Amino acid sequence: EVQLVESGGGLVKPGGSLRLSCAASGFTFSNYSMNWVRQAPGKGLEWVASIGSRSSYMYYADSLKGRFTISRDNAKNSLYLQMNSLRAEDAAVYYCAGGREWELPHFDYWGQGTLVTVSS
Amino acid sequence: QSVLTQPPSASGTPGQRVTISCSGSNSNIRRNYVYWYQQLPGMAPKLLIYKNNQRPSGVPDRFSGSKSGTSASLAISGLRSQDEADYYCATWDDNLSGPVVFGGGTKLTVL
Repeated sequence: EVQLVESGGGLVKPGGSLRLSCAASGFTFSNYSMNWVRQAPGKGLEWVASIGSRSSYMYYADSLKGRFTISRDNAKNSLYLQMNSLRAEDAAVYYCAGGREWELPHFDYWGQGTLVTVSS
Repeated sequence: QSVLTQPPSASGTPGQRVTISCSGSNSNIRRNYVYWYQQLPGMAPKLLIYKNNQRPSGVPDRFSGSKSGTSASLAISGLRSQDEADYYCATWDDNLSGPVVFGGGTKLTVL
């Protein structure tokens, strides 16, 4: 059974940092692109970042302006999102999603999400 | 404001056929595949249609996708109450440095 389990969300002050993790199982992690998609409360889906199966490419939403970094560790079947200089508008549920290499935005597998709250 | 435009809401009665549109431009929908995601209330999104009109295994053939020019559509036939959800289109945009875009989403209500 495919599982993607996000962790690392929580309450952080504006300007603070947070590192999200996503643990994958049930599929060959190293063969899939991995992605982060977020959803602010009551809002639609917003793509955040994507990374190739061997970290051969990394793409980011323009709105992030270099504050977020996506990375992965294929030996640990894990995906990460380092988020710096957090703002109120970054508050959202962050989903990790696994997809077809070179077929963005083909996202086959989704986690249940982790909630990030940005507030003083 | 997304580069892909969807109607915010749609509705239908059980058994009806409904369509949800997704309007884009030359740099996204015309040149690239369109994907559709279904998000049931309180749940994570789920891939519904890939490469314009392909269904992943397990997705009923009541769901179909199409594309023409700079627009795409999702059609749901034989509407059921369990189809009540938010639906999102997504694609790649050749003109954006952050190239993946989602539509704003359409909330489907089954009356």
